[in-house]
Amino acid sequence: GENVEQHPSTLSVQEGDSAVIKCTYSDSASNYFPWYKQELGKRPQLIIDIRSNVGEKKDQRIAVTLNKTAKHFSLHITETQPEDSAVYFCAASMISFLGNQFYFGTGTSLTVIP
Amino acid sequence: GAVVSQHPSWVICKSGTSVKIECRSLDFQATTMFWYRQFPKQSLMLMATSNEGSKATYEQGVEKDKFLINHASLTLSTLTVTSAHPEDSSFYICSASDRNTGELFFGEGSRLTVL
Repeated sequence: GENVEQHPSTLSVQEGDSAVIKCTYSDSASNYFPWYKQELGKRPQLIIDIRSNVGEKKDQRIAVTLNKTAKHFSLHITETQPEDSAVYFCAASMISFLGNQFYFGTGTSLTVIP
Repeated sequence: GAVVSQHPSWVICKSGTSVKIECRSLDFQATTMFWYRQFPKQSLMLMATSNEGSKATYEQGVEKDKFLINHASLTLSTLTVTSAHPEDSSFYICSASDRNTGELFFGEGSRLTVL
């Protein structure tokens, strides 16, 4: 089955700096890669996703890149703000008409220092 | 984004009782729903995958007779913790995958405390 690894497990950055979180996956059939942000005691929220036919996607201060050959994808947050502090999870999935399974990374706890 | 509603958000019960948690996709149809357990400061631990109209697939180590999952429609899945014990106390989260886009959305989570 799919194996998703996420690094780093914790990350501290100064406000205004950039943060990068990296994930690798093992199954080349995976074709959908979402990222979730989870604040303490709350549900994970989908913040950005990318499909295997795209190499990069950007939404304001957040961007995701995908390297299918190397089987890794990364989340980039620019101009970080204290409210970006949360746990971030990556996931890999193979979406098909038969249904889909999601495999999650172990999470990265991001702290943005004011 | 799409909305997944989970109810109740918290519940306290006595040891030995059963607790039912509902997960509904409010504005999309979900062929697949997932149930997770999350311990403090840890990742999501997948318990089972639920497909509409069929039996749930449980992860290794998860007792299917203890955690009963029903996925009766394209918008509703339920998790029943039977004969709950204090060690079952945890944060349970459901998620639902949009049958059209494949996107996955999470419910608010249910915090179960067994006394």
